[in-house]
Formats: sequence, structure tokens, C-alpha cells
Amino acid sequence: QVQLQESGPGLVKPSETLSLTCTVSGGSISPYYWSWFRQPPGKRLEWIGNIYYSGGTNYNPSLKSRVTISVDMSKNQFSLRLSSVTAADTAVYYCSRANYFDSWGQGALVTVSS
Amino acid sequence: QAVVTQEPSLTVSPGGTVTLTCGSNTGAVTSGHYPYWFQQKPGQAPRTLIYDTSNKHSWTPARFSGSLLGGKAALTLSGAQPEDEAEYYCSLSYSGARPVFGGGTKLTVL
Repeated sequence: QVQLQESGPGLVKPSETLSLTCTVSGGSISPYYWSWFRQPPGKRLEWIGNIYYSGGTNYNPSLKSRVTISVDMSKNQFSLRLSSVTAADTAVYYCSRANYFDSWGQGALVTVSS
Repeated sequence: QAVVTQEPSLTVSPGGTVTLTCGSNTGAVTSGHYPYWFQQKPGQAPRTLIYDTSNKHSWTPARFSGSLLGGKAALTLSGAQPEDEAEYYCSLSYSGARPVFGGGTKLTVL
């Protein structure tokens, strides 16, 4: 079973850009779609977007203006950037393989605070 | 704006049967919404139990099943075990591949 691991800063200042990377091990990035989700404390999950291994993307319309998802096949990684963050972006961020969401990372808590 | 609704909480006795539902404010849920069901325990990542209405992953216990029931997606647990106590989320897809999640059902096995 493929393993996913999120990494990145756990604290981001308001108005700055949140950056997370998901490293895929035990399998290849191709030929799958890969997704990012988030879950604010005590709230429901929210789909952020996904990326195909070759680079095509789909984003949640509510976040589209601030989100960029990219892929680096050479490193077997895909990444999330969320710009102009506010306290409302504080959440646990998860990466997942969008093959019926069969694999998930353990999650990374990102807090937006000055 | 699509809104997905779930029961906030349900209780089932050990060995009992319970059905969780997943509705949409846009109308009846169909297979074209590609319903998913996820199990999440405190402090853990979600685990996908059911995809595309009724399909199971290899790790999905046989006691869980998915269906469409009365215009909603449904997750039925037959023969509840203590380890099934968790939060259960459903998702429905709108406008292609955009999943929208329900608010979750906290299932207590008591």
C-alpha cells in the first residue's frame, strides 16, 4: 500500500502563503490523480483540489483564487500553496491518492497566527 | 451552493444494525453523485470505507454496506462492534470531480 506524508511549516502568519508537500512512498505518482483536503478543528472535511500526475488541476471554486497545486514526478511529491491566509485557514491538511481515496497521509496541522 | 446533510449523532447497541444517511439540498442523491463514506476516529486521518455508492475497499469490514435509500445515500452497519465507534462522513460530487462533504455523524456503540 502506498504511503503518504505531509510536511511543511506548522505556523503561518496572516496574509502569508501556506506551503505543504506530500511525499509518496511505496508507489509511483503516475498514473494517478492526487488530492488535498483540509479539516478545521471540530469541523467537516473540505476538498481543496486535485492534480493529475501530468499536471492538470481541479480546484474547489471557493478557494480557486488562492490555491496552487503542483507535482514533481522526479521527487514523487505533490505540493499545495494557499496564499493570503487568514485564521479561517487554520486546519489539519491531508493529502490523498484520488484512486477512490485509497490512501491518506496522517495530516498536518497548520495554524495561522501572528 | 450544494449542502450535504447527515444525522449529527446516532447510537447503536453492540451487535445491532444502524443506517446513516446522506442527503443533498439539490434533490435526490443518485449514483451520479458518486457517494463516498469515510470513517474517522479521533486524532486520525479519514479512512475510505465505501466509494461510488456501494463499492468497498479491501479493508472495509463486510458488516458495512452502501446503498441509495429514499433519495439519499445510505451506509448500513450490520452487527456493530465497539471499534466502529467513530465519526462518519459522506461526500457527494457535484459539477464533475468536486466532492462536497456532509457534517458527519458521530456514531456511538453503546
